[in-house]
Parts: sequence; structure tokens; C-alpha cells
Amino acid sequence: DGGITQSPKYLFRKEGQNVTLSCEQNLNHDAMYWYRQDPGQGLRLIYYSQIVNDFQKGDIAEGYSVSREKKESFPLTVTSAQKNPTAFYLCASSIRQSNYEQYFGPGTRLTVT
Amino acid sequence: RKEVEQDPGPFNVPEGATVAFNCTYSNSASQSFFWYRQDCRKEPKLLMSVYSSGNEDGRFTAQLNRASQYISLLIRDSKLSDSATYLCVAHSGAGSYQLTFGKGTKLSVIP
Repeated sequence: DGGITQSPKYLFRKEGQNVTLSCEQNLNHDAMYWYRQDPGQGLRLIYYSQIVNDFQKGDIAEGYSVSREKKESFPLTVTSAQKNPTAFYLCASSIRQSNYEQYFGPGTRLTVT
Repeated sequence: RKEVEQDPGPFNVPEGATVAFNCTYSNSASQSFFWYRQDCRKEPKLLMSVYSSGNEDGRFTAQLNRASQYISLLIRDSKLSDSATYLCVAHSGAGSYQLTFGKGTKLSVIP
């Protein structure tokens, strides 16, 4: 089955720790994205990557970092510099030269205390 | 700032009813639009794409009015399983892969 996987589903961390969220896709999509969703808010773009070894900041990149060493993988690191890291994190992917439809993984719910 | 605005609802409708949601967008360069459905604590799932004046898929019809910069979603013969939050999404324009998401409209279909 083709799809996007994110792990873990729930993640708990202490304040001051960096944490890396996993995102893998086997859809052969070129572009990948990271969003965060807070209660009552729309999805906000953190980072996106259109091609391997290249990525761009989204609207709220401060306190986050990414890498894109493989087409299938786009991990997100939430650093201790992120002021309000508790959120629902969603990874998505899309075919690069297409109609811009994005498909989402199941998400990781991060709680930092 | 490019935005997508939606009525947050909730819309509480009886089974079998017809319900319509509207959405306005501020970026006149947007060419592609989408409706996603999001169940509670789940990921958004693509419901419908809108590239021209509209699209229809079974009980769901989306219409686009470029002059007024709004998109609508009509759901006919509502089912209990249609209860969810519906996200209106606009593509950011030529040369970009970014989408702008509305905050969503919550629908509850009641028996």
C-alpha cells in the first residue's frame, strides 16, 4: 500500500530537549511538507522541500530544522528554541509537477512539559 | 497576507438535509482550490479539487466564483458520516507549491 507514515503517533518530551519527528512516503512524490495545527487554528507551514537536498522555510520555521537526504524521508526536528512546541504535527507530500494536491500522513501529537 | 476565511460553524443539520459552506480567499493569483475533510484528531483528507468553475462528486458539489473570490461546498442528502470539519484550501499561485488553509467549518449531522 502506498502512503505516508509518521511516527510516533504520540510523543512526550521535557522542555529543553530536542525531538525529531519521522515522515516517510512511498508514493514517489517529489515535494514534502511539514505543518503544525493548534486547536481552532488552520494548518501553518513550517518547512517544505521540492527536491532532495533542498528545502525552504515556511511561515513559522523558527525553532525547527529539517533535512531531505532521501526522496522518501523528510524528518523534522523540534528544537529547544521553539517557544510553544506542543501541537499536532502533520507531514504531507505532493507530486511536484501537478495540480498541487497534497496528501497527509496520520500526524504526530507532541506534548512538551 | 494571503488568507482563506471560513465560517467556523458549527453547522448542525438533520440527516438528509442539504448544507452549504462558503469560503473566501484573498490571493487573486490562486488558480487551484481544494476542500479537505478532517475528522477529530485525524489528518486532513482530500475531498475535492476545484480548478475551473466547479466540480461534482456524488453528493458533493464545489463551485468557484473567481470574480468574487469565493468557493462553496454543497453537501446533499447529509449522512451521519459526513460529520467532520471541512477545510477550504487555496493554492498560493504560480511558481509556488504552497497551500493556504482556512481554519475549517465544523459540520454535525444529527439523526
